[in-house]
Amino acid sequence: DTEVTQTPKHLVMGMTNKKSLKCEQHMGHRAMYWYKQKAKKPPELMFVYSYEKLSINESVPSRFSPECPNSSLLNLHLHALQPEDSALYLCASSPTGLAGATGVKNIQYFGAGTRLSVL
Amino acid sequence: DAKTTQPNSMESNEEEPVHLPCNHSTISGTDYIHWYRQLPSQGPEYVIHGLTSNVNNRMASLAIAEDRKSSTLILHRATLRDAAVYYCIGGGTSYGKLTFGQGTILTVHP
Repeated sequence: DTEVTQTPKHLVMGMTNKKSLKCEQHMGHRAMYWYKQKAKKPPELMFVYSYEKLSINESVPSRFSPECPNSSLLNLHLHALQPEDSALYLCASSPTGLAGATGVKNIQYFGAGTRLSVL
Repeated sequence: DAKTTQPNSMESNEEEPVHLPCNHSTISGTDYIHWYRQLPSQGPEYVIHGLTSNVNNRMASLAIAEDRKSSTLILHRATLRDAAVYYCIGGGTSYGKLTFGQGTILTVHP
């Protein structure tokens, strides 16, 4: 099973709402990632969790709050978003996100994404 | 992170080979070269990776220049399903971090 499952597939929220995106994998991977992708642009890394600890935060605004409850699950909590935050949010996992990990250990498996619209 | 340069777009006919080039002149000696592709309405998908030697798998081949400053992804027989954005990532993979460039939009004609 090489599947990364993201829910929901689509989400519409107002600027005062609180919502969460969910990502799940059962490949035994110990690194999980959140990316943001605007239309016709490449994915941009937001956060990296390695062994359930936050290892990279790419200066993401605090209205995005990641959480990794266990090695299979990754959440992204959203609060007070702006219309410009509308995008496709992608989750990925890889065997390990450790420093110096190379080659196959860095191959990332992506979910299909959650398409978020902020009104 | 190594900066990569790819053509904005390329076209191919079905059943013909496709060679997708990538320049990564600032890549360090220990960084791998990764290729991912993103089909419409899907997340990126791993295609292939390599360090120095040419690599083959069931999806594609990767030809790496001797000086490692460039590489070419080869799809041996393009199908309509291969129409996607292809991303070359040279380096920038420490701590699992992938830095995507602009990619090449591949169009495959029937």
